[in-house]
Amino acid sequence: QSVLTQPPSVSGAPGQRATISCTGSSSNIGAGYDVHWYQQLPGRAPKLLIYGNSKRPSGVPDRFSGSKSGTSASLAITGLQAEDEADYYCQSYDINLSGVVFGGGTKLTVL
Amino acid sequence: QVQLQESGPGLVKPSQTLSLTCTVSGGSISSGGYYWSWIRQHPGKGLEWIGYIYYSGSTYYNPSLKSLLTMSVDTSKSQFSLKLSSVTAADTAVYYCARSPLLARSTDWYFDLWGRGTLVTVSS
Repeated sequence: QSVLTQPPSVSGAPGQRATISCTGSSSNIGAGYDVHWYQQLPGRAPKLLIYGNSKRPSGVPDRFSGSKSGTSASLAITGLQAEDEADYYCQSYDINLSGVVFGGGTKLTVL
Repeated sequence: QVQLQESGPGLVKPSQTLSLTCTVSGGSISSGGYYWSWIRQHPGKGLEWIGYIYYSGSTYYNPSLKSLLTMSVDTSKSQFSLKLSSVTAADTAVYYCARSPLLARSTDWYFDLWGRGTLVTVSS
């Protein structure tokens, strides 16, 4: 069981908006540690999508956005495209575990 | 353009030591500015951070794996390595090497560049 909790799956039609939540606790997200998001296409390595809660690396479309509040964070994807079908992971730091922690991952299906 | 490439045996026997190397190309591992990490993904599962090493040789390991782990760096070859001892079937996973920018607060580190990953199977 992952320290950061994500829904196993979310779905949406092309052009719509999808949101993926990442719920933590007072020892990680709630302690003020940054949340980062990764996209993993089938058979590929994860790719950094959002860092520092809401910053996008160069080359990531502005359809992807991140936010954080309290002990949770969210990844929003607008204008869904078929190429967005992938697994998405959140990541933060946990003071009790003294290390990096990941969410269990969410599979996004574009209907 | 900096690239990372994992290499090592794809099959390891139980109780033996898993050894992997990550080669950094297109840039120097000793230029500073980055931590170098190992992350693994069990089949069909999520991601697990293993540990990181700095070019100076300083390390920080996942406490749950610390007693079995050794990481090292060879700046002359722009490589860093992982050794995981006493492996079991539970260590079967895809192992990724990754890069983390050096930040003012190390607890905010993230992974901005990944290798393609290498599958290691633990089986007799």
